[in-house]
Amino acid sequence: EAQVTQNPRYLITVTGKKLTVTCSQNMNHEYMSWYRQDPGLGLRQIYYSMNVEVTDKGDVPEGYKVSRKEKRNFPLILESPSPNQTSLYFCASFPGGGGPYNEQFFGPGTRLTVL
Amino acid sequence: DQQVKQNSPSLSVQEGRISILNCDYTNSMFDYFLWYKKYPAEGPTFLISISSIKDKNEDGRFTVFLNKSAKHLSLHIVPSQPGDSAVYFCAARRGFNDYKLSFGAGTTVTVRA
Repeated sequence: EAQVTQNPRYLITVTGKKLTVTCSQNMNHEYMSWYRQDPGLGLRQIYYSMNVEVTDKGDVPEGYKVSRKEKRNFPLILESPSPNQTSLYFCASFPGGGGPYNEQFFGPGTRLTVL
Repeated sequence: DQQVKQNSPSLSVQEGRISILNCDYTNSMFDYFLWYKKYPAEGPTFLISISSIKDKNEDGRFTVFLNKSAKHLSLHIVPSQPGDSAVYFCAARRGFNDYKLSFGAGTTVTVRA
């Protein structure tokens, strides 16, 4: 089954404790992205990657890091989480290159709470 | 500064009637628009899209209308069904192959039996 998976689905942590949210896709998509969803703001892009070893900032990159060492994986790293990073996070992948399958496929989301 | 705006946070409609969701954008460089649907505890799923060279795109019960001069698009759902109860996000990007999506805040649709 074609899908984007995220782990963990729920996480409660404390300020300053480094954490990683994993994202994996099995569709051989070139493009992957991280979004956060906050009430009244919709989804905002954090970082994106156009291919292995190619990443760039989105609209709200502060406090986050990413890496793309393999095509299928795109982890989101919070080196020193703060309460304002409490949010619902979505990973997405996209085949790129145009064609009929040009929509982004989203993972199920990770609910993060930073105390 | 949000470039895609959905000014109605919620919409309640009776089953069988039409649901109309509105979306406005400010960036004139946007030329490809999408609607996503999201159920609780799930990720958004693609619903329907429209290119700026069209003013209407239809897929079953879902129709999207685009008014470029007004920088406005709308999603019509006819007839509305209980399974349509979800959050709907409008999104836009600058080209068919552009990777960056800008989203609106979402509209929660509740379909009443």
